[in-house]
Amino acid sequence: IVMTQSPGTLSLSPGERAALSCRASQTVSSHLAWYQQKPGQAPRLLIYSASSRATGIPPRFSGSGSGTEFTLTISSLQSEDFAVYYCQQYKDWPRTFGQGTKVEIK
Amino acid sequence: QVQLQQWGAGLLTPSETLSLTCAAHGASFSDYNWSWVRQPPGKGLEWIGEINHSGSTNYNPSLKSRLTISVDTSKKQFSLKLSSVTAADTAVYYCARNPFYYDRDGHYSAYFDYWGQGTLVTVSS
Repeated sequence: IVMTQSPGTLSLSPGERAALSCRASQTVSSHLAWYQQKPGQAPRLLIYSASSRATGIPPRFSGSGSGTEFTLTISSLQSEDFAVYYCQQYKDWPRTFGQGTKVEIK
Repeated sequence: QVQLQQWGAGLLTPSETLSLTCAAHGASFSDYNWSWVRQPPGKGLEWIGEINHSGSTNYNPSLKSRLTISVDTSKKQFSLKLSSVTAADTAVYYCARNPFYYDRDGHYSAYFDYWGQGTLVTVSS
């Protein structure tokens, strides 16, 4: 299953709302996760089952969608949110990731 | 507190075998699957393969012919071996834990909720 994320880069200011898109080449139902990765760090799980927040993730992060279209929304960007975000499907093997969306400071 | 600690050789020459091990601390080893994921410098994430506590594996077809993932349940460790490496295998390698999800057909590994610190493996002559 090919996962395609858009846009490649999102340039926003702190306090703004970010909407990141992830599209699957075939249905993955709700078997979709989102990760945040900062330079030099391992990815961090944000969202699983398309819309469930992982432990310790603040409520400004939310996920939506099912089937082939998904969105990660950050309601009000904080300085620590500028990073690269990946989606990942776990409906079928091999598990696959999107190519990432970089959220950078405008 | 769940921690994954990984180690292994960081510099290889082409044709050698990459070997990494990951130890799971603070986790019930048999209640999860355990995976390897890699990330070439400046690029995205690629799932390598997974194993459960009884040794059943799923591998990425792109690496399957060179790949062995094994488990030592008594030590709560799992290992990765990738043979005949080339420069294209240069990457940061992560170990990760997979919870399960359940449906009417059984249970399956899901997302990655805990990750190791990563090991940069460089393949160079």
